[in-house]
Amino acid sequence: EAAVTQSPRNKVTVTGGNVTLSCRQTNSHNYMYWYRQDTGHGLRLIHYSYGAGNLQIGDVPDGYKATRTTQEDFFLLLELASPSQTSLYFCASSDLENYAEQFFGPGTRLTVL
Amino acid sequence: AQSVTQPDARVTVSEGASLQLRCKYSYFGTPYLFWYVQYPRQGLQLLLKYYPGDPVVQGVNGFEAEFSKSNSSFHLRKASVHWSDWAVYFCAVSMGPGGNYKPTFGKGTSLVVHP
Repeated sequence: EAAVTQSPRNKVTVTGGNVTLSCRQTNSHNYMYWYRQDTGHGLRLIHYSYGAGNLQIGDVPDGYKATRTTQEDFFLLLELASPSQTSLYFCASSDLENYAEQFFGPGTRLTVL
Repeated sequence: AQSVTQPDARVTVSEGASLQLRCKYSYFGTPYLFWYVQYPRQGLQLLLKYYPGDPVVQGVNGFEAEFSKSNSSFHLRKASVHWSDWAVYFCAVSMGPGGNYKPTFGKGTSLVVHP
């Protein structure tokens, strides 16, 4: 059974729209991450967290908020979506001992019109 | 700041041929290094990892990689490529314990396998 799940798998919204991407992990991992993947840029870190209530800024945080409500759940929020945020979004988790080894979800494809 | 360069955006090989995908890293200290694979319409999966120790590490499906501190490299190799290896491969670097817990990924190398 998949240990990192994401919802929705596909989302279309309009410019200025409000979007929430959800991620749940059942690995009992401390760390969770949000990435975006774009052609020519590879994988870029948006936000990450090492536990419920914690949030750390990644490398491309502008335009994104995130919240970690429990050890299992990590949400990415786009409050005023823009076409530049059209991308494939991945969530990942890792544990404290082997934090750099990441377990990825299947991804959410977001299109902002 | 740590960084990863994968100089080849796309590599094409024939099935049964050998393979090398290149990865160069920039990091002050001893890095932790990873190769991930992304099959079409899927998330990334770990192929292999290097933690300080033996410079040659073995991964799944016949893949191996060799760490070179002098060359700042972590190239991925496979002796005989199968059509099912058609995927995108990402190299990643991270600090060890006590670090900032932020892996850095390369831009990926797309592997195309011809019959």
